[in-house]
Amino acid sequence: QVQLQESGPGLVKPSQTLSLTCTVAGGSVNSGDHYWNWVRQYPGKGLEWEWIGYIYSRGSIYYNPSLQGRVTISVDRSKNQFFLNLTSMTAADTAVYYCARTTEWPSYFDYWGQGTLVTVSS
Amino acid sequence: IVMTQSPATLSVSPGERATLSCRASQGVGSNLAWFQQKPGQAPRLLIYGASTRATGIPARFSGSGSGTEFTLTISSLQSEDVAVYYCQQYNNWPPEMFGQGTKVEIK
Repeated sequence: QVQLQESGPGLVKPSQTLSLTCTVAGGSVNSGDHYWNWVRQYPGKGLEWEWIGYIYSRGSIYYNPSLQGRVTISVDRSKNQFFLNLTSMTAADTAVYYCARTTEWPSYFDYWGQGTLVTVSS
Repeated sequence: IVMTQSPATLSVSPGERATLSCRASQGVGSNLAWFQQKPGQAPRLLIYGASTRATGIPARFSGSGSGTEFTLTISSLQSEDVAVYYCQQYNNWPPEMFGQGTKVEIK
């Protein structure tokens, strides 16, 4: 059973950079044709979702064009973790951030983390 | 692609059938999944390929449809089924991939 767990700060100041970690257990970020994604859900906008980007187990990375320039996804294969960096945070980035896996692209998300609420406020 | 779910809230008596709808603004073939989300929990995959139940999902959950119209049916609602249900298209990317959700309540 694959398990994903997000970690990182719950509060970020405007203009700062958000850094989140997703730790994977029961599976490997190195193996298989898996895509390791970041997705967010806005609490105040009718629970709307936004896909942020992915890093593929074989190395390629793809971002949502709406966030291009602000987002970086990376991986530490030795620790079986992948990361999200999002710069120039504003209140509009307040959301629950999830990491999730797909086995193809595009595809459905078969495993999800619990999510972590990130609030942008001074 | 815009995914539209209806109704926003569905109240169903225990043991009764719950029928949830998801409409895509353009055809997505059978590239449609359904998720269940309970408060404070990770989303749980229920259905993929419009009608295939994910591993461990009870048989009371079923999906149907193709193209632009999809349905999730809970044949006999249990108390543990109280949740928000989302559809997700994966035919096109980057997505407007999720619907806005249907909240299922016990009547």
